[in-house]
Amino acid sequence: NAGVMQNPRHLVRRRGQEARLRCSPVKGHSHVYWYRQLPEEGLKFMVYLQKENIIDESGMPKERFSAEFPKEGPSILRIQQVVRGDSAAYFCASSPDLEPRPYNEQFFGPGTRLTVL
Amino acid sequence: DAKTTQPPSMDCAEGRAANLPCNHSTISGNEYVYWYRQIHSQGPQYIIHGLKNNETNEMASLIITEDRKSSTLILPHATLRDTAVYYCIVRPRTGTASKLTFGTGTRLQVTL
Repeated sequence: NAGVMQNPRHLVRRRGQEARLRCSPVKGHSHVYWYRQLPEEGLKFMVYLQKENIIDESGMPKERFSAEFPKEGPSILRIQQVVRGDSAAYFCASSPDLEPRPYNEQFFGPGTRLTVL
Repeated sequence: DAKTTQPPSMDCAEGRAANLPCNHSTISGNEYVYWYRQIHSQGPQYIIHGLKNNETNEMASLIITEDRKSSTLILPHATLRDTAVYYCIVRPRTGTASKLTFGTGTRLQVTL
């Protein structure tokens, strides 16, 4: 992984609480993506942000989930009123602006493991 | 994005070449083939990508058939650390960044 930081690495919440997951992209990257991996399943795209703008949120659940990527600071994935089904690994990825790196090469963080009791 | 088909699992002896196939028969002219892998619960890792020519980097080689309907990822000398789930992803290189659509991938087990 080329420097994407996620914290916390592990997060335990009780049903009904809020979960905040943070992602610091590779320095200089302005594109951030969030993916979710349920136990024993593949990764599913959630949302794509580019500095202060949500570009694609087609994978975000309609309720309780929100994401932001402010001008300063990390990207935040927020889950309100968590339920047991939210237990999963949440991965953040970032990518640079176009040239000279290959388009769409995404660098992934180590993930946040959310457990809802 | 075009759909891809990969075998669910493969075994490979350490030191031998691992050849991972991928079918993408509906690939269109502006779509590239990307390979990522995920080593046991870690974040996915980019390996290689290509359009129509064969590609090689320090990690692997990518062989794309002339009709572009299938490709093979080659790890020339597999090690135990290459045990992972390998994902073949087809997506356009349109000049803008976009999501990755992961399928079920191939679980490669490298053995002694």
